[in-house]
Amino acid sequence: DIQMTQSPSSLSASVGDRVTITCRASQGISNYLAWFQQRPGKAPKSLIYAASHLQSGVPSRFSGFGSGTDFTLTISSLQPEDFATYYCQQYSSYPLTFGGGTKVEIK
Amino acid sequence: EVQLVESGGGLVQPGGSLRLSCATSGLTFSNYWMSWVRQAPGKGLEWVANINQDESEKYYVDSVKGRFTISRDNAKNSLYLQMNSLRVEDTAVYYCAKGGSHDYWGQGTLVTLSS
Repeated sequence: DIQMTQSPSSLSASVGDRVTITCRASQGISNYLAWFQQRPGKAPKSLIYAASHLQSGVPSRFSGFGSGTDFTLTISSLQPEDFATYYCQQYSSYPLTFGGGTKVEIK
Repeated sequence: EVQLVESGGGLVQPGGSLRLSCATSGLTFSNYWMSWVRQAPGKGLEWVANINQDESEKYYVDSVKGRFTISRDNAKNSLYLQMNSLRVEDTAVYYCAKGGSHDYWGQGTLVTLSS
């Protein structure tokens, strides 16, 4: 199974900050990586697919980068609605696996 | 607008069964792989199963193999998860999601195992 390791597991940041979350795969997954945002009590929402492609309707302050084993999600200027938990997920091979999540909290 | 609406969750005793449903609209359902993903209380996301367009391919996480069965009815634009021999550790919110990259999600349905 491919293990997905996110770091950090949590972070505190202020509105307007630039935030970067890292996701590392235990083996190469090409660009078969997605990122999700989950607000408390809500369903996950897709942000990015194929490592760097923004889903329709997602603000351009979100961006994804990477290929192979190392990936990043960057929020260029944190907004109040961005405080949430973020997950990466590989869809290169079965079982599909998620990272443990990164909780972004208000400083 | 794409909509996925799960139903069928509830309280069940260990060893019992439940059938979850996911009704879809706003997409050509028969064109897409579909998935079930679950989230135990206070925990992260776990992929459970997915199915291809004509049901010829089905995949499961090891912990549910032999107990859960994913299926679909393209005429009804619906996805299903038959869950048998339920265990306490199956307690979770179950989401249906579109595709392998999960680009749309339902609101989830809660399955609670308790004796």
